[in-house]
Amino acid sequence: GAVVSQHPSWVICKSGTSVKIECRSLDFQATTMFWYRQFPKQSLMLMATSNEGSKATYEQGVEKDKFLINHASLTLSTLTVTSAHPEDSSFYICSAPPGVSGYTFGSGTRLTVV
Amino acid sequence: SQQGEEDPQALSIQEGENATMNCSYKTSINNLQWYRQNSGRGLVHLILIRSNEREKHSGRLRVTLDTSKKSSSLLITASRAADTASYFCATALSSSNTGKLIFGQGTTLQVKP
Repeated sequence: GAVVSQHPSWVICKSGTSVKIECRSLDFQATTMFWYRQFPKQSLMLMATSNEGSKATYEQGVEKDKFLINHASLTLSTLTVTSAHPEDSSFYICSAPPGVSGYTFGSGTRLTVV
Repeated sequence: SQQGEEDPQALSIQEGENATMNCSYKTSINNLQWYRQNSGRGLVHLILIRSNEREKHSGRLRVTLDTSKKSSSLLITASRAADTASYFCATALSSSNTGKLIFGQGTTLQVKP
């Protein structure tokens, strides 16, 4: 079935630094990728949708300059958290649109900003 | 917010008992899905029910959907300690064909051995 590989699975960074999270579709092409964020003990909230060949679409309240989303190719989408702060500590997870195998999620990235 | 609501927020049962979780949503949907998430881990897709379906089974899972009430329920029968996890419903809106999902608040299930 379709697989989305997400890396890293966890990262600890210092406040003020930037962190890049990658999601790769391994055996299919994805023109779109959804990025969700989950704070501790809360649900998943859609942050943005990356689109291959065009700008990402951000949900209301999500800072475009802070969360840089790039869809570099049909198999790679990245989320960069710039100038990270402790309040950005969260679980970030990507998802490809539903295909033959249904919805496919990455395994998630646990970001801790210290 | 379009986010769905789930109840109960937390549920604690003994192994072997059944667990029922409910989900309500606000807008018209194409389908509704249930996911499991173990602590700090990724999502596991459990079952998808389409808007024209009323009930679906998969192993020990039974999902119902009532589009008139905009609600769904997930029943786990003969629960096991390994079922301990958070469970989320997620809806794909009929107003959107992009595939993005709106997640409910989740139910934390603890199954005591």
